[in-house]
Amino acid sequence: DAGVIQSPRHEVTEMGQEVTLRCKPISGHNSLFWYRQTMMRGLELLIYFNNNVPIDDSGMPEDRFSAKMPNASFSTLKIQPSEPRDSAVYFCASSKGLAGGNQETQYFGPGTRLLVL
Amino acid sequence: AQTVTQSQPEMSVQEAETVTLSCTYDTSESNYYLFWYKQPPSRQMILVIRQEAYKQQNATENRFSVNFQKAAKSFSLKISDSQLGDTAMYFCAFMKSYTGNQFYFGTGTSLTVIP
Repeated sequence: DAGVIQSPRHEVTEMGQEVTLRCKPISGHNSLFWYRQTMMRGLELLIYFNNNVPIDDSGMPEDRFSAKMPNASFSTLKIQPSEPRDSAVYFCASSKGLAGGNQETQYFGPGTRLLVL
Repeated sequence: AQTVTQSQPEMSVQEAETVTLSCTYDTSESNYYLFWYKQPPSRQMILVIRQEAYKQQNATENRFSVNFQKAAKSFSLKISDSQLGDTAMYFCAFMKSYTGNQFYFGTGTSLTVIP
Protein backbone atom coordinates (compact mmCIF):
# COMPACT_ATOMS: atom_id res chain seq x y z
CA ASP A 1 0.00 0.00 0.00
CA ALA A 2 1.31 3.46 -0.91
CA GLY A 3 0.16 5.05 2.34
CA VAL A 4 -1.34 8.51 2.61
CA ILE A 5 0.03 10.78 -0.09
CA GLN A 6 0.31 14.54 0.35
CA SER A 7 1.43 17.21 -2.06
CA PRO A 8 3.30 19.41 -2.18
CA ARG A 9 5.83 18.41 0.48
CA HIS A 10 7.04 21.98 0.83
CA GLU A 11 5.35 25.22 -0.09
CA VAL A 12 6.70 28.73 0.17
CA THR A 13 4.35 31.54 -0.71
CA GLU A 14 3.79 35.20 -0.08
CA MET A 15 1.18 36.67 2.17
CA GLY A 16 -2.14 37.09 0.42
CA GLN A 17 -1.66 34.24 -2.01
CA GLU A 18 -3.94 31.23 -2.24
CA VAL A 19 -2.50 27.93 -1.07
CA THR A 20 -3.95 24.50 -1.88
CA LEU A 21 -2.78 21.38 -0.10
CA ARG A 22 -3.70 17.97 -1.46
CA CYS A 23 -4.21 14.57 0.06
CA LYS A 24 -4.88 11.08 -1.23
CA PRO A 25 -5.97 8.72 1.55
CA ILE A 26 -5.18 5.03 1.72
CA SER A 27 -7.44 3.10 -0.62
CA GLY A 28 -10.44 1.68 1.24
CA HIS A 29 -10.23 4.17 4.09
CA ASN A 30 -13.47 6.02 4.76
CA SER A 31 -12.31 8.70 7.18
CA LEU A 32 -9.93 11.54 6.42
CA PHE A 33 -8.42 14.08 8.80
CA TRP A 34 -6.56 17.36 8.35
CA TYR A 35 -4.18 18.46 11.15
CA ARG A 36 -1.93 21.45 11.64
CA GLN A 37 1.24 21.26 13.72
CA THR A 38 3.05 24.27 15.17
CA MET A 39 5.48 24.71 18.01
CA MET A 40 3.07 26.94 19.88
CA ARG A 41 -0.13 24.91 19.56
CA GLY A 42 1.10 21.39 18.92
CA LEU A 43 -1.03 19.09 16.78
CA GLU A 44 -4.51 20.45 16.09
CA LEU A 45 -7.35 18.75 14.26
CA LEU A 46 -8.76 21.14 11.68
CA ILE A 47 -11.50 19.05 10.07
CA TYR A 48 -12.42 15.47 9.40
CA PHE A 49 -14.57 13.68 6.85
CA ASN A 50 -16.39 10.39 6.96
CA ASN A 51 -17.51 8.93 3.63
CA ASN A 52 -16.59 12.23 1.96
CA VAL A 53 -18.89 14.24 4.25
CA PRO A 54 -17.41 16.81 6.66
CA ILE A 55 -18.26 15.68 10.18
CA ASP A 56 -16.51 18.22 12.38
CA ASP A 57 -14.91 21.44 11.15
CA SER A 58 -14.82 23.19 14.49
CA GLY A 59 -11.03 23.24 14.37
CA MET A 60 -10.87 25.29 11.19
CA PRO A 61 -9.33 28.55 12.41
CA GLU A 62 -11.32 31.00 10.30
CA ASP A 63 -13.11 31.54 7.03
CA ARG A 64 -9.85 31.76 5.15
CA PHE A 65 -9.59 27.98 5.53
CA SER A 66 -11.75 25.58 3.56
CA ALA A 67 -11.59 21.86 2.89
CA LYS A 68 -13.27 19.62 0.37
CA MET A 69 -13.46 15.94 -0.34
CA PRO A 70 -15.06 15.51 -3.77
CA ASN A 71 -14.50 11.75 -3.80
CA ALA A 72 -13.13 8.93 -1.68
CA SER A 73 -9.59 9.29 -3.01
CA PHE A 74 -8.94 13.01 -2.87
CA SER A 75 -9.17 15.95 -0.49
CA THR A 76 -7.94 19.52 -0.52
CA LEU A 77 -7.27 22.10 2.16
CA LYS A 78 -7.27 25.63 0.85
CA ILE A 79 -6.09 28.83 2.52
CA GLN A 80 -7.17 32.06 0.87
CA PRO A 81 -5.67 34.55 1.52
CA SER A 82 -2.68 33.10 3.32
CA GLU A 83 -0.99 34.88 6.24
CA PRO A 84 2.41 34.40 7.91
CA ARG A 85 0.73 32.89 11.00
CA ASP A 86 -0.51 30.04 8.81
CA SER A 87 3.07 28.78 8.53
CA ALA A 88 3.03 25.24 9.90
CA VAL A 89 3.22 21.60 8.94
CA TYR A 90 -0.13 20.32 7.68
CA PHE A 91 -0.83 16.63 7.98
CA CYS A 92 -3.47 14.53 6.34
CA ALA A 93 -4.42 11.21 7.95
CA SER A 94 -6.88 8.48 7.08
CA SER A 95 -8.53 5.55 8.83
CA LYS A 96 -10.73 2.70 7.74
CA GLY A 97 -13.65 4.04 9.67
CA LEU A 98 -15.23 4.04 13.04
CA ALA A 99 -14.01 2.44 16.22
CA GLY A 100 -13.48 -1.26 16.52
CA GLY A 101 -11.30 -3.93 14.99
CA ASN A 102 -8.40 -1.53 14.51
CA GLN A 103 -10.44 0.44 11.95
CA GLU A 104 -10.03 3.59 13.97
CA THR A 105 -6.24 3.76 13.76
CA GLN A 106 -5.14 6.82 11.84
CA TYR A 107 -2.30 6.66 9.34
CA PHE A 108 -0.55 9.90 8.59
CA GLY A 109 0.88 11.31 5.40
CA PRO A 110 4.37 12.86 5.33
CA GLY A 111 2.98 16.37 5.81
CA THR A 112 3.25 19.62 3.88
CA ARG A 113 5.57 22.22 5.32
CA LEU A 114 4.05 25.62 4.56
CA LEU A 115 5.92 28.88 4.89
CA VAL A 116 4.07 32.11 4.27
CA LEU A 117 6.36 35.12 3.90
CA ALA B 1 -13.85 17.48 26.97
CA GLN B 2 -11.05 15.01 26.69
CA THR B 3 -7.54 16.08 27.66
CA VAL B 4 -4.27 14.25 27.26
CA THR B 5 -1.26 15.26 29.34
CA GLN B 6 2.36 14.42 28.73
CA SER B 7 4.26 15.91 31.64
CA GLN B 8 7.77 15.24 30.34
CA PRO B 9 8.66 17.68 27.55
CA GLU B 10 12.13 16.18 27.10
CA MET B 11 13.84 12.96 28.09
CA SER B 12 17.09 11.20 27.28
CA VAL B 13 18.29 7.64 27.59
CA GLN B 14 21.51 5.80 26.97
CA GLU B 15 21.55 3.44 24.03
CA ALA B 16 20.46 -0.09 25.03
CA GLU B 17 18.80 1.16 28.21
CA THR B 18 15.08 1.27 29.01
CA VAL B 19 13.00 4.43 29.21
CA THR B 20 9.39 5.09 30.16
CA LEU B 21 7.33 7.99 28.81
CA SER B 22 4.27 9.01 30.77
CA CYS B 23 0.80 9.96 29.60
CA THR B 24 -2.35 10.68 31.54
CA TYR B 25 -5.78 11.48 30.21
CA ASP B 26 -9.07 12.72 31.49
CA THR B 27 -12.36 11.23 30.35
CA SER B 28 -15.72 10.12 31.62
CA GLU B 29 -15.96 7.45 28.94
CA SER B 30 -15.68 3.78 29.84
CA ASN B 31 -14.61 2.53 26.45
CA TYR B 32 -11.99 4.22 24.32
CA TYR B 33 -8.71 3.74 22.50
CA LEU B 34 -5.21 4.96 23.29
CA PHE B 35 -2.25 5.32 20.97
CA TRP B 36 1.40 6.25 20.94
CA TYR B 37 2.77 7.87 17.81
CA LYS B 38 6.41 8.58 17.03
CA GLN B 39 7.57 11.60 15.03
CA PRO B 40 11.25 11.41 14.03
CA PRO B 41 13.12 14.40 12.58
CA SER B 42 11.62 13.56 9.19
CA ARG B 43 8.29 14.75 10.67
CA GLN B 44 6.46 11.60 9.59
CA MET B 45 3.90 10.49 12.20
CA ILE B 46 4.30 6.76 12.78
CA LEU B 47 2.00 4.57 14.85
CA VAL B 48 3.94 2.83 17.62
CA ILE B 49 1.30 1.00 19.60
CA ARG B 50 -2.44 0.87 20.23
CA GLN B 51 -4.48 -0.13 23.29
CA GLU B 52 -8.20 -0.78 23.65
CA ALA B 53 -9.50 0.33 27.03
CA TYR B 54 -11.71 -2.71 27.53
CA LYS B 55 -8.69 -5.01 27.25
CA GLN B 56 -6.85 -5.44 30.52
CA GLN B 57 -3.78 -6.92 28.89
CA ASN B 58 -1.11 -4.38 28.10
CA ALA B 59 -0.26 -4.04 24.41
CA THR B 60 3.23 -4.98 23.22
CA GLU B 61 5.01 -4.40 19.92
CA ASN B 62 8.54 -5.75 19.89
CA ARG B 63 10.63 -3.42 22.09
CA PHE B 64 7.63 -1.18 22.83
CA SER B 65 5.11 -1.94 25.54
CA VAL B 66 2.56 0.01 27.51
CA ASN B 67 1.51 0.12 31.13
CA PHE B 68 -2.20 0.83 30.99
CA GLN B 69 -3.76 1.73 34.33
CA LYS B 70 -7.41 2.42 33.60
CA ALA B 71 -8.42 3.48 37.09
CA ALA B 72 -5.55 5.93 37.26
CA LYS B 73 -6.15 7.03 33.64
CA SER B 74 -2.51 6.44 32.88
CA PHE B 75 -0.95 5.08 29.69
CA SER B 76 2.83 5.00 29.78
CA LEU B 77 5.12 3.78 27.02
CA LYS B 78 8.17 1.68 27.80
CA ILE B 79 10.95 1.41 25.26
CA SER B 80 13.40 -1.41 25.95
CA ASP B 81 16.88 -1.74 24.49
CA SER B 82 16.75 1.85 23.20
CA GLN B 83 18.23 2.44 19.77
CA LEU B 84 19.50 5.59 18.10
CA GLY B 85 16.57 5.40 15.70
CA ASP B 86 14.19 5.81 18.62
CA THR B 87 15.19 9.47 18.87
CA ALA B 88 11.96 11.32 18.11
CA MET B 89 8.97 13.15 19.50
CA TYR B 90 6.44 10.80 21.02
CA PHE B 91 2.76 11.71 21.14
CA CYS B 92 0.08 10.06 23.21
CA ALA B 93 -3.43 10.13 21.73
CA PHE B 94 -6.94 9.31 22.95
CA MET B 95 -10.06 8.44 20.99
CA LYS B 96 -13.61 7.85 22.21
CA SER B 97 -15.25 4.73 20.93
CA TYR B 98 -18.77 5.65 20.00
CA THR B 99 -18.92 9.28 19.01
CA GLY B 100 -16.89 9.58 15.88
CA ASN B 101 -13.21 8.97 15.52
CA GLN B 102 -11.57 12.21 16.56
CA PHE B 103 -8.16 11.89 18.19
CA TYR B 104 -6.99 14.08 21.08
CA PHE B 105 -3.21 14.43 21.19
CA GLY B 106 -0.87 15.31 24.02
CA THR B 107 1.84 17.93 23.62
CA GLY B 108 4.55 15.36 23.06
CA THR B 109 7.78 14.18 24.70
CA SER B 110 11.07 14.69 22.91
CA LEU B 111 13.24 11.61 23.44
CA THR B 112 16.94 11.58 22.68
CA VAL B 113 18.88 8.33 22.66
CA ILE B 114 22.52 8.96 23.56
CA PRO B 115 25.16 6.72 21.99
